[in-house]
Amino acid sequence: DAGVIQSPRHEVTEMGQEVTLRCKPISGHNSLFWYRQTMMRGLELLIYFNNNVPIDDSGMPEDRFSAKMPNASFSTLKIQPSEPRDSAVYFCASSFSQGSGEKLFFGSGTQLSVL
Amino acid sequence: SQQGEEDPQALSIQEGENATMNCSYKTSINNLQWYRQNSGRGLVHLILIRSNEREKHSGRLRVTLDTSKKSSSLLITASRAADTASYFCATATSGSRLTFGEGTQLTVNP
Repeated sequence: DAGVIQSPRHEVTEMGQEVTLRCKPISGHNSLFWYRQTMMRGLELLIYFNNNVPIDDSGMPEDRFSAKMPNASFSTLKIQPSEPRDSAVYFCASSFSQGSGEKLFFGSGTQLSVL
Repeated sequence: SQQGEEDPQALSIQEGENATMNCSYKTSINNLQWYRQNSGRGLVHLILIRSNEREKHSGRLRVTLDTSKKSSSLLITASRAADTASYFCATATSGSRLTFGEGTQLTVNP
């Protein structure tokens, strides 16, 4: 199995631009998670999906952030418009969830720099 | 706010020594997990211990869980330079949500 695949690996953009991060979870997994990692705030859960349905988006910072999961094999996290404080590493993770917190498989992350 | 808090924040040891990292949390949990992160990479799952378990082993890893003290420890025995990484605890409280601590940076010197 190729594992969780994220793209792009690095993204450099200017303030105000739209940014789209992509994730392909492990085949057969039914839960998908978006995390953000910064030195100041550590690893924060932004949103997670179960069976393609958003379950908890309480971690999404503000309306500039949106996430979709149109099917079981693809998810996007969009930031529009982007701001310098959005600079971070964004991780996607997936699991086969049975409702009690199963282990997560993480992608390699997208390093986002907003100038 | 972070559910889990690791202690120490940073640990530097010599190859062959044991490394112990601690994690404290605040609320009741379903399970507690430990992850490892090498620089510039994603997190990798190491071990999961359920709330009704007290100790678990996997290779050179030993995890303990004390639910009365709301704490866990990760012991890495006979450390190697390749064990150099950040180690995170994560707690599962409800549903599929995992909340991560701030991590312990472990450096193993050859």
